[in-house]
Amino acid sequence: AQTVTQSQPEMSVQEAETVTLSCTYDTSENNYYLFWYKQPPSRQMILVIRQEAYKQQNATENRFSVNFQKAAKSFSLKISDSQLGDTAMYFCAYVSNSGYALNFGKGTSLLVTP
Amino acid sequence: DAMVIQNPRYQVTQFGKPVTLSCSQTLNHNVMYWYQQKSSQAPKLLFHYYDKDFNNEADTPDNFQSRRPNTSFCFLDIRSPGLGDAAMYLCATSRVRGGNQPQHFGDGTRLSIL
Repeated sequence: AQTVTQSQPEMSVQEAETVTLSCTYDTSENNYYLFWYKQPPSRQMILVIRQEAYKQQNATENRFSVNFQKAAKSFSLKISDSQLGDTAMYFCAYVSNSGYALNFGKGTSLLVTP
Repeated sequence: DAMVIQNPRYQVTQFGKPVTLSCSQTLNHNVMYWYQQKSSQAPKLLFHYYDKDFNNEADTPDNFQSRRPNTSFCFLDIRSPGLGDAAMYLCATSRVRGGNQPQHFGDGTRLSIL
């Protein structure tokens, strides 16, 4: 079974600063997908960014970018120019190419302060 | 806006009293999932429907059942809730099943057991 580890239960960053959330995973497969989901307080979980393992180029979505290191099985999320609305629980998730179930990490609670 | 809607947001039931959680979607997606998220833990897939085809995860307790009467609705039934079933229950959908398919989540239902 694949495992996803987020080693930072809580993080804090000041508005306009940059923060990086860590995620590592364990798999024996070569083709898979990695996701970062954001869950604001009392609101639904939404997809932030997605990375296909067969693509070497790191995915980017506006202020959000990833550092995907396939050999190291590492998938970190960088949030640039942090905004108060970025305050949320962030989940890293893995799905194999042939699978469907999201394997989530335990999450990192990010607080953006003024 | 197309979305995934879960009702109720908060549910309280008594130990051993059957309870049903509801999920509806306007995305016309073929796949609907139910995840269980216990406090400070990662969400874990219980089961999913691909169209009318029910797929149970191997370690999902028999106490949990699901129904999908039509494309739009899916229900989670807990026949005899125990204290250990207190959790956030997340419904998600995807257009088709596969690792490359992003999942769209509802706000979740937080279940408490008295």
